[in-house]
Amino acid sequence: AQRVTQPEKLLSVFKGAPVELKCNYSYSGSPELFWYVQYSRQRLQLLLRHISRESIKGFTADLNKGETSFHLKKPFAQEEDSAMYYCALGDSWGKLQFGAGTQVVVTP
Amino acid sequence: NAGVTQTPKFQVLKTGQSMTLQCAQDMNHEYMSWYRQDPGMGLRLIHYSVGAGITDQGEVPNGYNVSRSTTEDFPLRLLSAAPSQTSVYFCASSYSGQGPTYEQYFGPGTRLTVT
Repeated sequence: AQRVTQPEKLLSVFKGAPVELKCNYSYSGSPELFWYVQYSRQRLQLLLRHISRESIKGFTADLNKGETSFHLKKPFAQEEDSAMYYCALGDSWGKLQFGAGTQVVVTP
Repeated sequence: NAGVTQTPKFQVLKTGQSMTLQCAQDMNHEYMSWYRQDPGMGLRLIHYSVGAGITDQGEVPNGYNVSRSTTEDFPLRLLSAAPSQTSVYFCASSYSGQGPTYEQYFGPGTRLTVT
């Protein structure tokens, strides 16, 4: 069965510290993974996707098929990174399955 | 280009009442979907559509109906509201087709309370 697990409900970090949000998945096919972000009072938006292999707002995520993980990392957290982050798994027809989400709070 | 729009933004219903949440997009996207967002559960797919006249159930379809008569609109109907349907509802759209999963564009959400 398809599943996305985000084990941390809340991640509190200090400004300038590294931050890593964990995401593990189970999927029988070739996975397509995404990170979506929801800033306060804003709509969900795509942060990055594994096939583009790019860095957005200083965030990167590497797909590790052996560990079935797609962790999101940023070396130096900023206050504007405070948001809810969702890991999502796409199937071959475009449906997304979301994890439970991780609330990130960056304190000065 | 308004993107994905949803109305209303807020709604309070009494148990047993029915209502329709509206969703529209102006990007000519084939794929549209409805999610509900609940604390600790992330977003769960209610119903989705891969084009006008084609809809299918997602993970949590019970108590909800959809139809897709045009590419632009994808309304979600609550048949007989229950307190368990208190949630934030998001509509999303994207390009569609077998192959890579495309970016989904989300609406601003509708916060529904059922008393």
